[in-house]
Amino acid sequence: DADVTQTPRNRITKTGKRIMLECSQTKGHDRMYWYRQDPGLGLQLIYYSFDVKDINKGEISDGYSVSRQAQAKFSLSLESAIPNQTALYFCATSDSRGGAPNEQFFGPGTRLTVL
Amino acid sequence: QQQVKQSPQSLIVQKGGISIINCAYENTAFDYFPWYQQFPGKGPALLIAIRPDVSEKKEGRFTISFNKSAKQFSLHIMDSQPGDSATYFCAATTGWDSNYQLIWGAGTKLIIKP
Repeated sequence: DADVTQTPRNRITKTGKRIMLECSQTKGHDRMYWYRQDPGLGLQLIYYSFDVKDINKGEISDGYSVSRQAQAKFSLSLESAIPNQTALYFCATSDSRGGAPNEQFFGPGTRLTVL
Repeated sequence: QQQVKQSPQSLIVQKGGISIINCAYENTAFDYFPWYQQFPGKGPALLIAIRPDVSEKKEGRFTISFNKSAKQFSLHIMDSQPGDSATYFCAATTGWDSNYQLIWGAGTKLIIKP
């Protein structure tokens, strides 16, 4: 987990505010992902990026945007937060060039509460 | 058809017992089935994975059993210990070495009673 860091770890905000969650990794991986986790729903993919110039929508991208500022940094933004975006958010990385195929390495998560 | 259905949602097992978590899928193109383990306050981490060309894979006390015809796979934890208490997620994907998108089960919260 120390190789994938997320900031902030906890955030409380109000409806309508713009929020940015940041993810950094020192693993040298090319692929990065943003997930949200809700109780009983497992992990839902928001966005993923294969490299700096490649950004793709996941299954629940509405209301979210991302930026891949560098190979090591991938940020998730909520343009206008709403209460049903209250969730635990995870960043993950994987390496297309080796290791266990498709193994994803997760950060510690950001707990976001939208009031 | 993209779903992976996981059961049970929660499970309580006595120390030393066998914990069994089941997953079912519909998409016959899935060819990689990992299990992730998540402790409170942490992100999930890969525990064990299997491809459909084998029916079982064992790593220590953890075993994946795979039934291709039934489109089901399960995680068995032998001699369950309190340290195994965690949430377990099954997942599936296509493209053994190139795919990016894991389809996740909803998770099973496992509690091992001492």
